[in-house]
Amino acid sequence: DTAVSQTPKYLVTQMGNDKSIKCEQNLGHDTMYWYKQDSKKFLKIMFSYNNKELIINETVPNRFSPKSPDKAHLNLHINSLELGDSAVYFCASSQDHRDSYEQYFGPGTRLTVT
Amino acid sequence: GQSLEQPSEVTAVEGAIVQINCTYQTSGFYGLSWYQQHDGGAPTFLSYNALDGLEETGRFSSFLSRSDSYGYLLLQELQMKDSASYFCAVTGNTGKLIFGQGTTLQVKP
Repeated sequence: DTAVSQTPKYLVTQMGNDKSIKCEQNLGHDTMYWYKQDSKKFLKIMFSYNNKELIINETVPNRFSPKSPDKAHLNLHINSLELGDSAVYFCASSQDHRDSYEQYFGPGTRLTVT
Repeated sequence: GQSLEQPSEVTAVEGAIVQINCTYQTSGFYGLSWYQQHDGGAPTFLSYNALDGLEETGRFSSFLSRSDSYGYLLLQELQMKDSASYFCAVTGNTGKLIFGQGTTLQVKP
């Protein structure tokens, strides 16, 4: 049973396009996150939702827009893709936002912008 | 602000013991976590220390000294499959998990 799943696993697209990444968790967790991991493996939080409510919104270009239709799903839409958006994007979840120290990560989506 | 320092690379041989250190600066510190990430894989949670001392989980142990803003991950009886990146991460009153830059561990036969 997959705990945190993401689709697609790979995404290759051209500059200027709009794309979405989907994430689902079946752990019954209340809190979900989006991270960006760059080529140097630095993991940086982008957003966090707790029970569908946005609680963390880092300094991310407003081309990135998260959406949480319910607490088991957190999607990420990216408009007008740029070369610098190329990275691996990880979705994660934790039992609660107070338990953020223990997060369960999805397999990642490798985004390549050409 | 928050910052973490850990070595970028560590090399050890199979069967050996290796220690990966992490120093941190953060306001409102709650605890220190460790994550493992294999190449092409997802980060996986290893351990969490909120209080001073050593926590042991099988071959892996994690230590925290709050007064020194310092912790380490100790890996014993190293196996080839332990070759991976190891990240320390802090949680504080911001509710965020802030990751260090990661330490790449290479285990050699």
